This record gives sequence, structure tokens and C-alpha cells, in this order.
Amino acid sequence: DIQMTQSPSSMSVSLGDTVTITCRASQDVGIYVNWFQQKPGKSPRRMIYRATNLADGVPSRFSGSRSGSDYSLTISSLESEDVADYHCLQYDEYPTFGGGTKLELK
Amino acid sequence: QVQLKESGPVLVQASETLSLTCTVSGFSLTNYGVIWVRQPPGKGLEWMGIIWRNGNTDYNSALKSRLSINRDTSKSQVFLKMNSLQTDDTAIYYCTRERDLNTFDYWGQGVMVTVSS
Repeated sequence: DIQMTQSPSSMSVSLGDTVTITCRASQDVGIYVNWFQQKPGKSPRRMIYRATNLADGVPSRFSGSRSGSDYSLTISSLESEDVADYHCLQYDEYPTFGGGTKLELK
Repeated sequence: QVQLKESGPVLVQASETLSLTCTVSGFSLTNYGVIWVRQPPGKGLEWMGIIWRNGNTDYNSALKSRLSINRDTSKSQVFLKMNSLQTDDTAIYYCTRERDLNTFDYWGQGVMVTVSS
């Protein structure tokens, strides 16, 4: 199975920060990486699809990028509504999720 | 509009079989696959399996021996059955959909299933 190693597992952030979360794939997964936001008691929300594409209705301060086997989600100018858990997912082969990143306000 | 909704028992005894239903609206099961994902309390997400638009299925290798996914296209329903439940199967179970650029775009609200010993 393909492993997605997500880091950091948690991050203390301030409003206005630029935040970057990274997933490293254990083998080539091409563009087949999604990023999800999940708030307490809610279902995951797709934020980025195919590594770099912004999902419908997602603010433009979110972006996705790829460098080799490293995939990143960046939130520019963090707002309070962005404080949540974030998950990466590869679906090139049988899908696997990263371990998640919890954003917390300082 | 697109909707998915999971339903099923919230409490199941260990060693028994879990049966969940995902009822969809706003799209056809002959045009979209349906994926099951679960999340143990306080933990990450786990892909369980998929029923493709053509009716074929694929399963997480760790669950394959216990899991089956079927559907009734006329009722727009997808069914998950997993046997030999253990307490570590306690989780929120979600369904979501699959097709090209729309893969994982809509999710159900989830159903919390507790496995009691």
C-alpha cells in the first residue's frame, strides 16, 4: 500500500499566518492527491483536488502544490474559520489518507 | 442537489455483522461510484472500499475478508456489510462518491457506530 506521511501532526497558528502542511508519498502518485478540511463533528470537505486544483467554493487563500513526491497545502493569511483538521489523500492506487494535521490557535 | 446519507444501527455487538445503507440523490449510481470511508474517534480517515459505476467492487486489503459492498440502483442505495466486528471497528462511517474530477466531492453526514463487547 502507498503510504502518505503527513506533517506536522499539529500546528499552533495565529490569525494572518501563512500555513503549509505537507504529505510525502511513498511512491509515485502523480496528480492524484486531494486535501480535505474537517471541523469537529463534520464530514470532510474537499479543498484541493488533483494536487493543485481549488475545489468549488473554496477561498483563494488555499492552494495546493507538488514537488516530486511531496504535496503541500498552503493557507495564506489564515482566518479563524480555517482552524480545523486537514487530511491528504492519494488515490492513484487504492486510496490512503495521511495521518492528519490539527491546526490550533495560539 | 447532490446528497448522500448514511443510515444504520448505532450500536452493534462484537462478533456480529454491521449493515449500513448510503442513500444518494441528485446523481445516478450508474454514473458514479460510491466509496465508504471510516474514522475511529479522534483518529484519521480510512478508505474501506468502493462500488464502481459498473457495479464492480474493490476493498481495502485489511478489510477484504470481512467486507462486502452492494447496491440497488433502482432505489439509489449502496449497502455496506462487515462481519466479525470488533471494538476497534467503532467509528464514524461515511459514504462519498467517485467519478473523475468529482471524486470525493460530496460526503454524507456520517453515522457513528459503536461496537460493544
